[in-house]
Amino acid sequence: DAGVTQSPTHLIKTRGQQVTLRCSPKSGHDTVSWYQQALGQGPQFIFQYYEEEERQRGNFPDRFSGHQFPNYSSELNVNALLLGDSALYLCASSLAAGEPGGTIPRNEQFFGPGTRLTVL
Amino acid sequence: RKEVEQDPGPFNVPEGATVAFNCTYSNSASQSFFWYRQDCRKEPKLLMSVYSSGNEDGRFTAQLNRASQYISLLIRDSKLSDSATYLCVPFNQAGTALIFGKGTTLSVSS
Repeated sequence: DAGVTQSPTHLIKTRGQQVTLRCSPKSGHDTVSWYQQALGQGPQFIFQYYEEEERQRGNFPDRFSGHQFPNYSSELNVNALLLGDSALYLCASSLAAGEPGGTIPRNEQFFGPGTRLTVL
Repeated sequence: RKEVEQDPGPFNVPEGATVAFNCTYSNSASQSFFWYRQDCRKEPKLLMSVYSSGNEDGRFTAQLNRASQYISLLIRDSKLSDSATYLCVPFNQAGTALIFGKGTTLSVSS
């Protein structure tokens, strides 16, 4: 059972450029969330995609956009890169309805290895 | 008050020690909680889920105090391999974003 995969693993860009990161969710999962993790911080939620639509968004500017494809894979695009965009970008997959079992909906999110973006 | 606050750490303990981390949360609607473990330059991995008052898994015990809005993680008989950052995550319903604390760093030495 393949886990969450992300590509590329590392990326170096310069200010003003645009970048596209890719994520394939865990088999059977239909929801993809993206997080940004700066050095020394916890992951910060960017947005979440379900049924090819952005379902929820965190406090990130419009330079950050995304897409989900019919096979549930997803892309994160960042335009006009800033130095402060340098971070580890994590993709997490989950089931919209939650994992089965129990009365409380479960939202266990499984993370991919991340893409480390460096903006020079 | 921040949504999630954790002990700043780092915690430096010898092998075999018992160590506890606390995490406070501000959203009283939070139903359940996760503890994630993150190794240096790696992705977070789910360590434990808490859906009621607590959970125990081997050397790891999580306890939830809803009245005081905090959750703790206790690690007994620490191993070198327990060295990592531990992230506390409350959530209130399936399909919503995870709000992470900054994490608490644990270093276990021989």
